[in-house]
Amino acid sequence: AQSVAQPEDQVNVAEGNPLTVKCTYSVSGNPYLFWYVQYPNRGLQFLLKYITGDNLVKGSYGFEAEFNKSQTSFHLKKPSALVSDSALYFCAVRDTAGNNRKLIWGLGTSLAVNP
Amino acid sequence: DGGITQSPKYLFRKEGQNVTLSCEQNLNHDAMYWYRQDPGQGLRLIYYSQIVNDFQKGDIAEGYSVSREKKESFPLTVTSAQKNPTAFYLCASTGTGESPLHFGNGTRLTVT
Repeated sequence: AQSVAQPEDQVNVAEGNPLTVKCTYSVSGNPYLFWYVQYPNRGLQFLLKYITGDNLVKGSYGFEAEFNKSQTSFHLKKPSALVSDSALYFCAVRDTAGNNRKLIWGLGTSLAVNP
Repeated sequence: DGGITQSPKYLFRKEGQNVTLSCEQNLNHDAMYWYRQDPGQGLRLIYYSQIVNDFQKGDIAEGYSVSREKKESFPLTVTSAQKNPTAFYLCASTGTGESPLHFGNGTRLTVT
């Protein structure tokens, strides 16, 4: 079955330290992978995506993610966290098998960056 | 600037009343989606439409209805049959399969 797992409900990191938000997925075909961020009472904003090609993807606000096919993971990273990065982060996958354009969503990880 | 507009931002209704949430986009996207967000449950798909005059049920369509008469508009009606309608509702749109979703800023519906 198609699924996305974000194993941590919350991640806490000190400002200036590197951060990682984890995501693993399960699909039958090749995945299209996405990361989104949500600030309180707002819609989601797109951060980055992996479609094909280089496994290291760079996105908005200094974020990057690494696609690892063998581990079926797509972890979000940032070398130096900012307090303003505190938000809710969602991983999503689209299975390219079939004609279904629906996204499968993780439950989200709340990131708290402490000053 | 292109984007998605959801209105109103906050909506209050009495139990037993139907209510319609508006979603308009000027991105020329074919596909539009409605999601419901509850704390700790992530995003759950209510309905989606890949083209005008066509839409499909998502994972939690019961108690909801939609229409797609124009490319730009995808209104969602929360009917009195929806047992727990209080939630944050998000509308989104996208172009091709590789494109990310663009989201509106949501409507918070409270039913008492």
